[in-house]
Amino acid sequence: QKEVEQDPGPLSVPEGAIVSLNCTYSNSAFQYFMWYRQYSRKGPELLMYTYSSGNKEDGRFTAQVDKSSKYISLFIRDSQPSDSATYLCAMINLVSGGYNKLIFGAGTRLAVHP
Amino acid sequence: EAGVAQSPRYKIIEKRQSVAFWCNPISGHATLYWYQQILGQGPKLLIQFQNNGVVDDSQLPKDRFSAERLKGVDSTLKIQPAKLEDSAVYLCASSPQGEPSPLHFGNGTRLTVT
Repeated sequence: QKEVEQDPGPLSVPEGAIVSLNCTYSNSAFQYFMWYRQYSRKGPELLMYTYSSGNKEDGRFTAQVDKSSKYISLFIRDSQPSDSATYLCAMINLVSGGYNKLIFGAGTRLAVHP
Repeated sequence: EAGVAQSPRYKIIEKRQSVAFWCNPISGHATLYWYQQILGQGPKLLIQFQNNGVVDDSQLPKDRFSAERLKGVDSTLKIQPAKLEDSAVYLCASSPQGEPSPLHFGNGTRLTVT
């Protein structure tokens, strides 16, 4: 079983839709949770970064962490064609991994069509 | 702020040949990472440097992969000899030292081994 599971998609939605992207994880030692966006032929760029359970909002993006269920989500409101990319969840286990050893999910490919 | 620079952008080699990738991190970033991203998968950490020293190389195939970071700045990753399964995008990232902080990724080198 992989430490971090993420549905690869692809996910295709119309412009303006609310998008929900999810990851599950098996290791309860994960403490930091991140979402990266990766455009085609580019490196990943950080979108959201949370430490605790709960919600964190940044513009049209909301990150949600439920440590009891080992489940994290990223919601995108009013999705735009420019949101079309691969979304990667990533986690850090400070106990065994030290600072910044990110464990990535496989990424979900999102296409927002006009 | 200039981003993480990587070269070359693309490389095609035959199996059993050798190849080298170069990375210049963001100025002042003490930590440098090399990730391997196989098509359809999330990035996987190969090696992490803190200044000149190796922090984690547990997933580096040391029989064929080597990496160095001279003077705590630029880094090179070498593969010798290459195998077909080494076809991937090799991403370099950097971050400041200390507390978990966002990784800044370069755009990667896409390697094709034929």
